Amino acid sequence: QSVLTQPPSVSGAPGQRVTIPCAGTSSNIGAGYDVHWYQQRPGTAPKLIIFGNVNRASGVPDRFSGSKSGTSGSLAISGLQAEDEADYYCQSYDNSLSAFYVFGTGTKVTVL
Amino acid sequence: QVQLQESGPGVVKPSETLSLKCTASDYSVNFDYYWGWIRQSPGKGLEWIGNLYHNGGSDYNPSLKSRVTISLETSKTQFSLKLTSVTAADTAVYYCVRGDADFACVVHWGLGTLVRVSS
Repeated sequence: QSVLTQPPSVSGAPGQRVTIPCAGTSSNIGAGYDVHWYQQRPGTAPKLIIFGNVNRASGVPDRFSGSKSGTSGSLAISGLQAEDEADYYCQSYDNSLSAFYVFGTGTKVTVL
Repeated sequence: QVQLQESGPGVVKPSETLSLKCTASDYSVNFDYYWGWIRQSPGKGLEWIGNLYHNGGSDYNPSLKSRVTISLETSKTQFSLKLTSVTAADTAVYYCVRGDADFACVVHWGLGTLVRVSS
């Protein structure tokens, strides 16, 4: 029931920069609602890393950055490290009848 | 840093009611936050179930609304999830969460508990 669309996977070598897009619609991101990002390592609960489009959560390295434009959001990871290998989900608020809190389809980041 | 812990049966029979509780290390009333539940089916993405607000209000995912109740326990240090008439599609890891009401994002997550619907 994911309303926000993400690529299934992205990959990069250590030290490289990867970007994860999050495509929404006019009832969520395009309506002005914030985009948030979560990191989920295997077998663990998700962890908030970016909130309010661009704000890093407490303790999150500045290698992680977020942005938003129009109906899309984006997460960038620069200086990719092995510990960044995880699933990443975007999330926003939706004012249609589908759901209030909507998540992205998730992206698996692989460090080559 | 609030700690959240889910508890409840790991197996529920089809057509029965799934009941989970969440214990929070800090349940002080704060209108800046809300409490809620999110689930994740095996190998799948995240699905919002619903929120409980300190003013007593609640919001539920429309696709689950007819079967879901989130409420504050009488101890006032726990909140609960009840999902009726479960099917195999309700098999998932269930997370209790605390969210930021202003940003509408989830700040704290429980460890999660796997609930299987099976006869």
